[in-house]
Parts: sequence; structure tokens; C-alpha cells
Amino acid sequence: KAGVTQTPRYLIKTRGQQVTLSCSPISGHRSVSWYQQTPGQGLQFLFEYFSETQRNKGNFPGRFSGRQFSNSRSEMNVSTLELGDSALYLCASSLSGAEAFFGQGTRLTVV
Amino acid sequence: EDQVTQSPEALRLQEGESSSLNCSYTVSGLRGLFWYRQDPGKGPEFLFTLYSAGEEKEKERLKATLTKKESFLHITAPKPEDSATYLCAVNSNSGYALNFGKGTSLLVTP
Repeated sequence: KAGVTQTPRYLIKTRGQQVTLSCSPISGHRSVSWYQQTPGQGLQFLFEYFSETQRNKGNFPGRFSGRQFSNSRSEMNVSTLELGDSALYLCASSLSGAEAFFGQGTRLTVV
Repeated sequence: EDQVTQSPEALRLQEGESSSLNCSYTVSGLRGLFWYRQDPGKGPEFLFTLYSAGEEKEKERLKATLTKKESFLHITAPKPEDSATYLCAVNSNSGYALNFGKGTSLLVTP
């Protein structure tokens, strides 16, 4: 059974640019969540989607947005990148929002 | 507001030396407590879910237990390959987010 796939694995962007990250969940999973992981703050929840609807949103500025498609694949977008957005972005999928299985993450570096 | 505190922050063990990691939590209605293992540069790997006080789960050298205020991850006779960061997270009635602790970095030396 294929796991959660995130692309790309690594990204380097310049301040002020925008970036889109992609996540393909485990087949059959309809819930997709996004997390930001940094050494100082640990893992922090960004948002969660279920059947194309955002059910929960964390305490992040509006520059962070996401969406989910009808095939459950999800994307997150960060606009007007700041140095502090450098982090490992993790996607997790679950059947209904409980037990979550994570992808390998996208390492974003903002320079 | 949900809070999760893990201790110790770091732990160094000799191979075969058993120990426990602690996860203390305060939530407004626990829906589930989760343990993950994370290796450097990789995503967290799911280990266990615990739903109610008194519940226990085991997997190889790991055993997770749950009370109304905390969870323990017991590691019996650890091996060097058990070296990783162990993360605890809770899900509460307030939504579908996982609220993570900062983790315990475990190093097992031969």
C-alpha cells in the first residue's frame, strides 16, 4: 500500500516569492492535514481538509492557504515568502481525521 | 487550550538499558493520544493510538500506556536502531488537529 507522497522534497525560494507544495494521500483516505515543523516551534498545525472542505485551520497568517481536490490530493500555497517560513512542511492523511500517517515532507528554504 | 509536554527533552541509554518517556497533557476532551517516531530528515512514523485511561499498546520493544493526565512510552532493552525522536500528540474534541509535544530525542549507544 503506497504511503503519503509529497512533492517536491526540497525547495529553495527567494523572499517575496510564492510556493506551492503538493500531497497525495494514502488511497482511500479523505482527510489531509498540513503541518509546519521548525527546530524552535516543533510541529504546528496549519489546516485540515476533508472531502474538499477545510474543517480546521491553525494560527497562521493568511499567506498560508490550501485546497483539496476531488481525488483527495491536496496542495498548500505560501505567498510572499519570509525567511521565517523556512521549515519542513509535512502532510498527513487519515481515513476520518484520527490516526494520521505522514509523508516525508518538503524542506523549504527561503533565502 | 490543549497542551502537551514531553520529558525528558533528550535521553541517552546504553543498549539494553530500559527506560520510559513521559507525555503530560491537558485537553478539553481527549479524542485520542498518538505516539510517533521521527528519524532525522524524515516524516513522523505512526506507532500507537490510545483512546482511554488504562489502555496499553505494545509493538516489539515499545509499550505505550495512558492515564487521565499522562502517557508513558516504555522502551525495553533498547537497541541502537531505536535511536530517534519520539513525538506525542493529542487530538481533542475541539477539532481534527494534532497538537504535538516538542519530542524526546533518544540516543541508544552500543
